[in-house]
Amino acid sequence: NAGVTQTPKFRVLKTGQSMTLLCAQDMNHEYMYWYRQDPGMGLRLIHYSVGEGTTAKGEVPDGYNVSRLKKQNFLLGLESAAPSQTSVYFCASSTPQGENSYNEQFFGPGTRLTVL
Amino acid sequence: GQSLEQPSEVTAVEGAIVQINCTYQTSGFYGLSWYQQHDGGAPTFLSYNALDGLEETGRFSSFLSRSDSYGYLLLQELQMKDSASYFCAVNSGNTPLVFGKGTRLSVIA
Repeated sequence: NAGVTQTPKFRVLKTGQSMTLLCAQDMNHEYMYWYRQDPGMGLRLIHYSVGEGTTAKGEVPDGYNVSRLKKQNFLLGLESAAPSQTSVYFCASSTPQGENSYNEQFFGPGTRLTVL
Repeated sequence: GQSLEQPSEVTAVEGAIVQINCTYQTSGFYGLSWYQQHDGGAPTFLSYNALDGLEETGRFSSFLSRSDSYGYLLLQELQMKDSASYFCAVNSGNTPLVFGKGTRLSVIA
């Protein structure tokens, strides 16, 4: 099993360009997440999905859009990139959250994005 | 709202014991998780506490006190490879995990 994979691993964009980050998981997880990680800021949730065809906003959703057309894939889009979006982006997946759940999230290797 | 507090940096000597604390304020609470992240790597799950008390997994232990809204991660017999960032995260039910900002542990010889 590959677990959670992310494409691409690195990317450099110019301000105003658009791009899509792809996340794929082969663990049949219902929940998927997109985080950004900046120095000293920990992991901040951008958007998440609790199932195919559903998405919800996280802590820092502005400037990003997502889609979950297939259960195993979760796409993160930047329509018009800004330097403030320079960050490391992590995708994660998990079984459904709940009171009796470990909530273990499985993370992908990350995408390092630089916006000039 | 929800907030978690943990020290930003901790330094400890190889072979020693170190404790990383986490205090939280949440509107709902089911449990506290810990994740480890090495530089350049992805976070990986370490432990989860839903009930008060100490959970031990090898050299790592995690403690929770629900009444004090407090938990800690205890690392024993520190090794150089334990140098990493450690995040606590709260499970508050229907909303996704909320992560702390992380504690950077440096193990020195």
